[in-house]
Amino acid sequence: GAGVSQSPSNKVTEKGKDVELRCDPISGHTALYWYRQSLGQGLEFLIYFQGNSAPDKSGLPSDRFSAERTGGSVSTLTIQRTQQEDSAVYLCASSSFSDNEQFFGPGTRLTVL
Amino acid sequence: DQQVKQNSPSLSVQEGRISILNCDYTNSMFDYFLWYKKYPAEGPTFLISISSIKDKNEDGRFTVFLNKSAKHLSLHIVPSQPGDSAVYFCAASGLDSNYQLIWGAGTKLIIKP
Repeated sequence: GAGVSQSPSNKVTEKGKDVELRCDPISGHTALYWYRQSLGQGLEFLIYFQGNSAPDKSGLPSDRFSAERTGGSVSTLTIQRTQQEDSAVYLCASSSFSDNEQFFGPGTRLTVL
Repeated sequence: DQQVKQNSPSLSVQEGRISILNCDYTNSMFDYFLWYKKYPAEGPTFLISISSIKDKNEDGRFTVFLNKSAKHLSLHIVPSQPGDSAVYFCAASGLDSNYQLIWGAGTKLIIKP
């Protein structure tokens, strides 16, 4: 498909375990964003990648969260030692360089027991 | 401190009538505003946007109005259709960080047949 894809769609894990969430952006989009949406909350910005520039990590809530983007395409968001408050839907979006419109993936619903 | 506020968690409108979704913001540096629509288990999709140099933007049944002095924008849908039932997010970006969208908490719109 031509859209943003994310995997897995659902992830249930035990507190203290590490999880990896994957995002495949739209081909050719240089910008990639990670957000999370907790129940009843708006979208919370986590991290932003633009081309080969250093990522903007200002939204990461703690040092347990990290993300990388290999080859300017696929991105992985890693949460170490998960906590129950990490339970949320994690959304990835991509956009072209000069466009404010972001295209979102379907999200990964993370549940930490 | 929420910079973008959608004070109505939900709104119910009769099919065929006008739906008005409201959004307030506090940051005077915001200069671009977007509305996204989200169905369950899907990522948000872009609906319509407006820049601060305009006070109205129209696209088919959707019109966004911006009142800069009141720091208020609204989305009008007319006539409302059953397929419009979704969660609507307002988002804003600013001169100081124009790639980072600041999101409202969303308003769930229910169109009654």
